[in-house]
Amino acid sequence: AQSVTQLDSQVPVFEEAPVELRCNYSSSVSVYLFWYVQYPNQGLQLLLKYLSGSTLVESINGFEAEFNKSQTSFHLRKPSVHISDTAEYFCAVRKLGAGNKLTFGGGTRVLVKP
Amino acid sequence: DVKVTQSSRYLVKRTGEKVFLECVQDMDHENMFWYRQDPGLGLRLIYFSYDVKMKEKGDIPEGYSVSREKKERFSLILESASTNQTSMYLCASSFPSSGSYNEQFFGPGTRLTVL
Repeated sequence: AQSVTQLDSQVPVFEEAPVELRCNYSSSVSVYLFWYVQYPNQGLQLLLKYLSGSTLVESINGFEAEFNKSQTSFHLRKPSVHISDTAEYFCAVRKLGAGNKLTFGGGTRVLVKP
Repeated sequence: DVKVTQSSRYLVKRTGEKVFLECVQDMDHENMFWYRQDPGLGLRLIYFSYDVKMKEKGDIPEGYSVSREKKERFSLILESASTNQTSMYLCASSFPSSGSYNEQFFGPGTRLTVL
């Protein structure tokens, strides 16, 4: 069975410091990879995705994630966080040929402190 | 903008009650999904529907059923609510994958408490 592991359940970080959220997945077949963000009291929003091509993908608000096939990882990074980045972040995987079904990791709660 | 709405933000029910959670999307999406979100477990798929009157079990369907009589509406039913069904329930919708990826759009969630 496919699984997604987010190694950190909570990450406290000071404003303007860098942050990395780790995500590893288990799959023997090709996958699509996603990061979703959930701001307080809101639904999930797609942050960025890897489908094919360049292994480094970026979002419009400064996050980036790198697909590493050999390590089956898709870690999310931001070089300088803002208070507004306080949220829960979910890594998700879609197995090719599995319709549009996603498997989610357990989530990482990021708390940005002033 | 895509909009996915859920009938209630907060709901409190008693053990044994029949509970209906409603989800409506306005983008003519074929696919609709119900997830439950629990701390440390992320989102787990309960059921999904790929067309009107079509449904498929997800990873944790036990204790739940669904109904999709109209394309825009997908209902999650708890036939006899139990305390272990206390959770946040999220609905999502998307176009079908058809060999490529189509983003899932999420509603704001319903926080259900079963006493």
